[in-house]
Amino acid sequence: GESVGLHLPTLSVQEGDNSIINCAYSNSASDYFIWYKQESGKGPQFIIDIRSNMDKRQGQRVTVLLNKTVKHLSLQIAATQPGDSAVYFCAENSPRGKLIFGQGTELSVKP
Amino acid sequence: GAVVSQHPSWVICKSGTSVKIECRSLDFQATTMFWYRQFPKQSLMLMATSNEGSKATYEQGVEKDKFLINHASLTLSTLTVTSAHPEDSSFYICSARDSGSNTGELFFGEGSRLTVL
Repeated sequence: GESVGLHLPTLSVQEGDNSIINCAYSNSASDYFIWYKQESGKGPQFIIDIRSNMDKRQGQRVTVLLNKTVKHLSLQIAATQPGDSAVYFCAENSPRGKLIFGQGTELSVKP
Repeated sequence: GAVVSQHPSWVICKSGTSVKIECRSLDFQATTMFWYRQFPKQSLMLMATSNEGSKATYEQGVEKDKFLINHASLTLSTLTVTSAHPEDSSFYICSARDSGSNTGELFFGEGSRLTVL
């Protein structure tokens, strides 16, 4: 099966700080990207998405940046809260219509 | 919002038995559903694409005879793990693409945790 990454890197931040989670994607032809949040024992939860004709999109407390030149995505979370602690995955919608997940990052928020 | 339901949410079985996991789209139709497998501390790995009324498309390295997929209706896909062994223990997650949405939005189930003894 398709997947990227083996073991999860971790990011630890202080409550109230901003968090930046990075992701590299594989297919330069992918046209749509999504960030998901996954809490322990649950399915992925949609956070924010971005199409390839954009380089930035903002939501509530979250911003996604897309750099197609280097095939890089980032998720910025403002004023990180303990409830933001989870594993975050980027996913790319491949030209074949399949959603391929990248390596996740485990975010830990210290109170 | 759209809901995808998986059942069972967890199951324990003996080695050699078969286990069926259901994935239902509750308030939309889905001609395409996807099955993922996730091992602890790892990413979601796409196993197969389930197509309503036709055969599933499996990813490279995924055994078709081991993981049987049936997508008999526009709201239900099933994954059967046949002759399960301890190495099949994993978290299985499905997603469904809303056929009526022009964005083709995907919705995920809550996952099914399989433990094979």
